[in-house]
Amino acid sequence: EVQLEQSGAEMKKPGESLRISCKASGYSFINYWIGWVRQMPGKGLEWMGIIYPGDSDTRYGPSFQGQVAISADKSITTAYLEWRSLKASDTAMYYCTRGYSASSEFDSWGQGTQVFVSS
Amino acid sequence: QSALTQPASVSGSPGQSITISCTGTNSDVGAYNYVAWYQQRPGKAPKLIIYDVSYRPSGGVSNRFSGSKSGNTASLTISGLRAEDEADYYCSSYTSSSTWVFGGGTKLTVL
Repeated sequence: EVQLEQSGAEMKKPGESLRISCKASGYSFINYWIGWVRQMPGKGLEWMGIIYPGDSDTRYGPSFQGQVAISADKSITTAYLEWRSLKASDTAMYYCTRGYSASSEFDSWGQGTQVFVSS
Repeated sequence: QSALTQPASVSGSPGQSITISCTGTNSDVGAYNYVAWYQQRPGKAPKLIIYDVSYRPSGGVSNRFSGSKSGNTASLTISGLRAEDEADYYCSSYTSSSTWVFGGGTKLTVL
């Protein structure tokens, strides 16, 4: 069974750094893309970016380029989403997802990681 | 990259059919047959219900859900509405920038 297990909720202050994780199991981690999707409170889904753990090929949505970093460690089948300096506007639920190719839909989703950023 | 355009809300009575539209451009919906639909129930993660415009994932998605596309507009139709279909629905399309874009979401109310 495909599983994407995300790290727990985080409460941070503006300016702090953060890395959240997504542990994959039940399939060949290096042969599927991992994506990240943002959902701000009461709002819709936003495509942040994807990474291919096999070769670390990474692509970002226009609104997220330079704002976050996506990475993966294939030795522990885990993907990451990282911020260097959080803003209050980063408060959101973040989902990790899986896709067969860069042009394919997301067929599995993690449970989400809630991030709160407030002074 | 602008979000795809969906109606904010639709409603229907049990047993009826409803259609949710998703309008993009000739750089996304109109350019590729890579359109997906997701269902999100309150407090839950989204779930894939349609991919490649009109295909249902194996195992677990009712054949009451169907998808189609004409030009720059994709559509999701739910037939034989049930109370359990009440949820938010999002379309998504691959784009000419090799990224994906979501629609703004549609809240379905079953009356």
